[in-house]
Amino acid sequence: ETGVTQTPRHLVMGMTNKKSLKCEQHLGHNAMYWYKQSAKKPLELMFVYSLEERVENNSVPSRFSPECPNSSHLFLHLHTLQPEDSALYLCASSQDWGLSASSTDTQYFGPGTRLTVL
Amino acid sequence: GENVEQHPSTLSVQEGDSAVIKCTYSDSASNYFPWYKQELGKRPQLIIDIRSNVGEKKDQRIAVTLNKTAKHFSLHITETQPEDSAVYFCAANNAGNMLTFGGGTRLMVKP
Repeated sequence: ETGVTQTPRHLVMGMTNKKSLKCEQHLGHNAMYWYKQSAKKPLELMFVYSLEERVENNSVPSRFSPECPNSSHLFLHLHTLQPEDSALYLCASSQDWGLSASSTDTQYFGPGTRLTVL
Repeated sequence: GENVEQHPSTLSVQEGDSAVIKCTYSDSASNYFPWYKQELGKRPQLIIDIRSNVGEKKDQRIAVTLNKTAKHFSLHITETQPEDSAVYFCAANNAGNMLTFGGGTRLMVKP
């Protein structure tokens, strides 16, 4: 499947490192999302971008910094992470966001980046 | 905000049996309820969804029912097969496209 791609697929980093996760969607969608998936916890929404503008920051610590340079690309910049930040980070996209609650669009997920913080 | 509860957390069935997973939600304004399947090491994939203007939707062996009054919705899988083994997530929307996910159900289909 190539609709939503993420790189790298696996990442191991120390607490003092700086790294970035990349997401790219080839579906012509206008909305992109970052989710965190930890063991034994529900998928947690982190950020939402619509037409390259951040429309939601779900109380995420500042050590996570998103960037959306265009509607096809989404980055998550990481710095000074903690071991409890180890998780699967999933990117998703949908046609639109927030235009109407009666027309919620399907979200398509990428394969995720498995992050381990030592 | 929205709160979605999902039960059971694990479910083991014999091949050929049916499986039912239930979710409840708290926001009466929610009107979109997708179900995702996540196989081990893979991405969540949408398998079926339902909107609040219908009470039931079916796609081959998979069906979803919605009770808006009681604020619960369920996934039904009939004639289960080993390849149905995965983690299943329900979700409900709130403002815009914001989805709140349930905690997931690990389904194991024993051959």
